[in-house]
Amino acid sequence: EAQVTQNPRYLITVTGKKLTVTCSQNMNHEYMSWYRQDPGLGLRQIYYSMNVEVTDKGDVPEGYKVSRKEKRNFPLILESPSPNQTSLYFCASSTGRPNTGELFFGEGSRLTVL
Amino acid sequence: DAKTTQPPSMDCAEGRAANLPCNHSTISGNEYVYWYRQIHSQGPQYIIHGLKNNETNEMASLIITEDRKSSTLILPHATLRDTAVYYCIVRPLLRRYFGTGTSLTVIP
Repeated sequence: EAQVTQNPRYLITVTGKKLTVTCSQNMNHEYMSWYRQDPGLGLRQIYYSMNVEVTDKGDVPEGYKVSRKEKRNFPLILESPSPNQTSLYFCASSTGRPNTGELFFGEGSRLTVL
Repeated sequence: DAKTTQPPSMDCAEGRAANLPCNHSTISGNEYVYWYRQIHSQGPQYIIHGLKNNETNEMASLIITEDRKSSTLILPHATLRDTAVYYCIVRPLLRRYFGTGTSLTVIP
């Protein structure tokens, strides 16, 4: 089954404790992206990757890092989480071909930073 | 950079057609319009996309005006499970912000 898998789905952590949210897709997609969603603010892009070793900032990259060492994985790293990073996070992937805008989203990771 | 405008909320009676409008007046000639929906806090789900012809699939129909400045997503027989936020978006892979979409409530 084609899917994007995120882990963990739920996490409560404390300020400053490094954490990683993993994202994996099994569709051989070139394009992957991370979003955060806060009440009333819609989906905002954090980082995206057009292919292995190619990443770029989205709308709200501050406080986050990513890496794309393999095509299937695109982890989101919070080196020193703060309470304002409490949010619902989504990973997505796509073929990345021009005019192919079908994004496949994961089920989301709800993060709470105390 | 084509932006889209949608009404923040709509209601629809169960079993009736839900017509969700979207304005994209600055869309370029080769840009597709995409529709997604998000049920509660689940990951958004792709519904349909189109360039200039009307499109239909098992989930919905998409009507794009001849000048391509607006479109309408049609859910022909809305059910309670169609209650969701619907996003209209151009070039989603290059979009840094999905917007807040239209919150559709299907009423029994």
